[in-house]
Amino acid sequence: EDQVTQSPEALRLQEGESSSLNCSYTVSGLRGLFWYRQDPGKGPEFLFTLYSAGEEKEKERLKATLTKKESFLHITAPKPEDSATYLCAANQAGTALIFGKGTTLSVSS
Amino acid sequence: GAVVSQHPSWVICKSGTSVKIECRSLDFQATTMFWYRQFPKQSLMLMATSNEGSKATYEQGVEKDKFLINHASLTLSTLTVTSAHPEDSSFYICSATTSGVTDTQYFGPGTRLTVL
Repeated sequence: EDQVTQSPEALRLQEGESSSLNCSYTVSGLRGLFWYRQDPGKGPEFLFTLYSAGEEKEKERLKATLTKKESFLHITAPKPEDSATYLCAANQAGTALIFGKGTTLSVSS
Repeated sequence: GAVVSQHPSWVICKSGTSVKIECRSLDFQATTMFWYRQFPKQSLMLMATSNEGSKATYEQGVEKDKFLINHASLTLSTLTVTSAHPEDSSFYICSATTSGVTDTQYFGPGTRLTVL
């Protein structure tokens, strides 16, 4: 069964304390791996799309990487405003996104 | 770019009434739109996929007669919750893509539905 699993479920960091969020997927014929940020009571905000193993993308303090089995979202020197739920999703050709349950990140000052 | 809006942002209705939620792509033409619902502290659950001018494809377990979807143009899709009941209370989110199910989806801000 195609599946996307995110870990940890929740992560608490101090401001400036870098860390990584994990997204493992068992999707045959991966077409794309997507990262979104979701704030409470709002829709997901698009961050990155990764298409092939070895690909990396960066945006401010965030960097997403992809291997054949998992993706990482690295957060460098996080700030309180980075607190949110980060969602990972994957799809195959012709299918809709399969979402993970998300990692809720809390960054305290 | 790639902005998706939803209206209303929240709605409260009485049990038995119908509620319509609009989803618009503001700066691009959306060939495919999706409707999700999300319960508290849960991830997104896909309800249906719709392509402009054709009938929506519903996920297993989603009642198509209860959740009516219309994708009348390349920038507008509507979800109508018919004869709403308290168990339909949820956060409904739409998304849109420019070129089919495998393209990047851009999400709307969501609509909070509360059925009394």
